[in-house]
Amino acid sequence: AQSVAQPEDQVNVAEGNPLTVKCTYSVSGNPYLFWYVQYPNRGLQFLLKYITGDNLVKGSYGFEAEFNKSQTSFHLKKPSALVSDSALYFCAVRDADSSYKLIFGSGTRLLVRP
Amino acid sequence: NAGVTQTPKFQVLKTGQSMTLQCAQDMNHNSMYWYRQDPGMGLRLIYYSASEGTTDKGEVPNGYNVSRLNKREFSLRLESAAPSQTSVYFCASSDGATNNYGYTFGSGTRLTVV
Repeated sequence: AQSVAQPEDQVNVAEGNPLTVKCTYSVSGNPYLFWYVQYPNRGLQFLLKYITGDNLVKGSYGFEAEFNKSQTSFHLKKPSALVSDSALYFCAVRDADSSYKLIFGSGTRLLVRP
Repeated sequence: NAGVTQTPKFQVLKTGQSMTLQCAQDMNHNSMYWYRQDPGMGLRLIYYSASEGTTDKGEVPNGYNVSRLNKREFSLRLESAAPSQTSVYFCASSDGATNNYGYTFGSGTRLTVV
């Protein structure tokens, strides 16, 4: 079965420190991977995607993600966290059985303290 | 550039009442989706429409119906609302089978059923 796992419900980090939000996936074939961010009372916004090519993908707001095929992971990273990065983050993978659909993880809440 | 527009933003219903959530996109996307978001459960797919004229059930379709009115519009109907349908509902659209660019989300409808 295809799935996406975000093992941490919440990640806490101090402003200025690097942050990592973890995501692992299980899908047949080549994965199409995405990260979305949700700010309070807002819809989800696209951050970045991996389709093919370089394993390090750069996205919006200074975020990047590293695709690791051997570990089936796609962790979201940022070198220096901002308080304004505090939000809910979702990892997603394209459904190999129905390419119209994305499978979402359960979300990770990131709290950046001043 | 409006993207995906959902109406209403907030709604309170009494048990047994019906209502329709409206969604429209102006990006000429082929595929549209309805999700519900509940605390601790991430995003769950209710229904989707891969292309104009088609609709399919997602993970949690019971108690809902949908209509793909045209390429732009995809509505979600609750025929007899139940407290278990209290949730935040998101509409999304995508470029379809390629899905290279993931989804574009609306800002959500917060529904309370009392």
